[in-house]
Amino acid sequence: DTAVSQTPKYLVTQMGNDKSIKCEQNLGHDTMYWYKQDSKKFLKIMFSYNNKELIINETVPNRFSPKSPDKAHLNLHINSLELGDSAVYFCASSQDGRETQYFGPGTRLLVL
Amino acid sequence: SQKIEQNSEALNIQEGKTATLTCNYTNYSPAYLQWYRQDPGRGPVFLLLIRENEKEKRKERLKVTFDTTLKQSLFHITASQPADSATYLCAPMDTGRRALTFGSGTRLQVQP
Repeated sequence: DTAVSQTPKYLVTQMGNDKSIKCEQNLGHDTMYWYKQDSKKFLKIMFSYNNKELIINETVPNRFSPKSPDKAHLNLHINSLELGDSAVYFCASSQDGRETQYFGPGTRLLVL
Repeated sequence: SQKIEQNSEALNIQEGKTATLTCNYTNYSPAYLQWYRQDPGRGPVFLLLIRENEKEKRKERLKVTFDTTLKQSLFHITASQPADSATYLCAPMDTGRRALTFGSGTRLQVQP
């Protein structure tokens, strides 16, 4: 069984479009994250939710909006996509927000 | 500003040798530090966690040291195998932000 899953795995879209990435974890964790990994491989945290409450909101354009309908899901909606949004987006989860994080397989977003 | 430095150049070693990867951090006082492995096209996978009051941690062929005075962690893989080839990321825990911050990783290539 997949612990942290993301859909879609690949996303190719035009500039200006709006898109969503979904994430689900079946580990029973209370904290979920979104990370962005750019072409230089830096993995940067974007958002963190604990029990559906936003606890980390890094300096991210407000075109990015996370939504957590329940503890097991954290979705990422991106409005007005730009070329610089092209990257791999990883979802992760952990218990208590402090220890080991479990990552999803990533969503490769390419904005043309 | 806070910084995490890992060797950006790839580390090439012969099978059977010990690989040593370095992680230096500045302007952090992490309560603990984690090491992750990332294979191409996949999400990071947790390997080891070491706390500030621990000097050394071992797991099978892996060993991590943590020197809070030098602000450095070393990650060792003994009897390395080609299957150990991957990128290794260190991540000190920023207790203020309740978030891991990842280094850019060191790519290890083990030659048969």
